[in-house]
Amino acid sequence: EIVLTQSPATLSLSPGDRATLSCRASQSVSSYLAWYQQKPGQAPRLLIHEAYKRATGIPARFSGSGSGTDFTLTISSLEPEDFAIYYCQQRSNWPRFTFGPGTKVDV
Amino acid sequence: EVQLLESGGGFVQPGGSLRLSCVASGFPFQNYAVNWVRQAPGKGLDWVSTINAADTSYYADSVKGRFTISRDNSKNTLYLQMNSLRAEDTAMYFCARDGIVDDGCDIWGQGTMVTVSS
Repeated sequence: EIVLTQSPATLSLSPGDRATLSCRASQSVSSYLAWYQQKPGQAPRLLIHEAYKRATGIPARFSGSGSGTDFTLTISSLEPEDFAIYYCQQRSNWPRFTFGPGTKVDV
Repeated sequence: EVQLLESGGGFVQPGGSLRLSCVASGFPFQNYAVNWVRQAPGKGLDWVSTINAADTSYYADSVKGRFTISRDNSKNTLYLQMNSLRAEDTAMYFCARDGIVDDGCDIWGQGTMVTVSS
């Protein structure tokens, strides 16, 4: 099983700050890495797929990078609605995908 | 509107059974793979099962032999039959569509809660 680790566990920032979230895979997943945002009481929302491609309707302040085992989600300037938990997901051995433990971005 | 709507969750004793349903609307359901993903209270996301458009099913090791995924394309509905339930199966269960344009779980339902307790 491919294990994903995310860091930091919590990121305390303010609106307007830049957020940089990391996801590391236990083995190469090529570019088959997605990012999701989840707010309390809501389902996850797909933000980024294939490491860097923004999903339909996702604002340009969200960007992804990386390949192989190391990936980054960057939020260029935090909006109030961006405070949430972010999960990475590897899709390299579809459909047996796994999720990381999440990074909470809070104020 | 493209959406998924789950139902069927509830409270059940260990060893019991439940069947979850997920009704799809707003898109050609038969063309898509669909997944069940669960989230225990206060925890992260955990893949449970997938059924592709060709009706091939896949399971996480933790549920293999106990859960059965199926689909009825005539009813635009996904199912998860859960037998021999354990306390560790307690979670919110989401159905999620696997995107074709966007390679990820691009549409999610609101979830249905399953609680396994004596």
